[in-house]
Amino acid sequence: QVQLQESGPGLVEPSQTLSLTCTVSGGSISSGGYYWSWVRRHPGKGLEWVGYIYYTGTTYYNPSLKRRLTISVDTSKNHFSLNLTSLTAADTAVYYCARVGASGMITFDVWGQGTMVTVSS
Amino acid sequence: QSALTQPASVSGSPGQSITVSCTETSSDVGDYNYVSWYQHHPGKTPKLIIYDVSHRPSGVSNRFSGSQSGNTASLTISGLQAEDEADYYCSSYTTISLWVFGTGTKVTVL
Repeated sequence: QVQLQESGPGLVEPSQTLSLTCTVSGGSISSGGYYWSWVRRHPGKGLEWVGYIYYTGTTYYNPSLKRRLTISVDTSKNHFSLNLTSLTAADTAVYYCARVGASGMITFDVWGQGTMVTVSS
Repeated sequence: QSALTQPASVSGSPGQSITVSCTETSSDVGDYNYVSWYQHHPGKTPKLIIYDVSHRPSGVSNRFSGSQSGNTASLTISGLQAEDEADYYCSSYTTISLWVFGTGTKVTVL
């Protein structure tokens, strides 16, 4: 079955840029039918949808993050990535990648384990 | 700030039924659709347990059921078991803000 695995730095300095990658195994991003998403959970708080991308490169972002966010996809490597600029402590969170159905099961049906990102100097 | 409000905690004894609510609290995100529920054991991968309000994915126990009335969706866990102790989140697709998640509920099995 499809599995997702996040990778990236665990510690990033304020004002810097966070770069995370989600590698997809057991299925091909370019098959279509799914959006590839990022979700984060702030310490002690609930989940927040960050944004997602279709294999064609079409993106949708959380309006609150849109100004600082870029999500990209590399179908040759079967992975997608997140870039979040101008980091502050408020961006400290566990970042998950997840798959979202584009039709039929329109939900987050497969998740990665998550990677903790701390913004601190 | 989340547009979906859940109780911070719900508890029950083994064998009992409990219900977790998910209430739409913001009118500025458009219409809500495609309510889902996720179970999250800390340190593990979140697991989809209900989608489209009341549908269970293959392999999910029928002890989990979902419903919706007005602006409140509900997750019911019947025959509560120790393994059900986890955090539970709802999510919904909205016409303006796209996806929103609930504030999360910690379910404790007494």
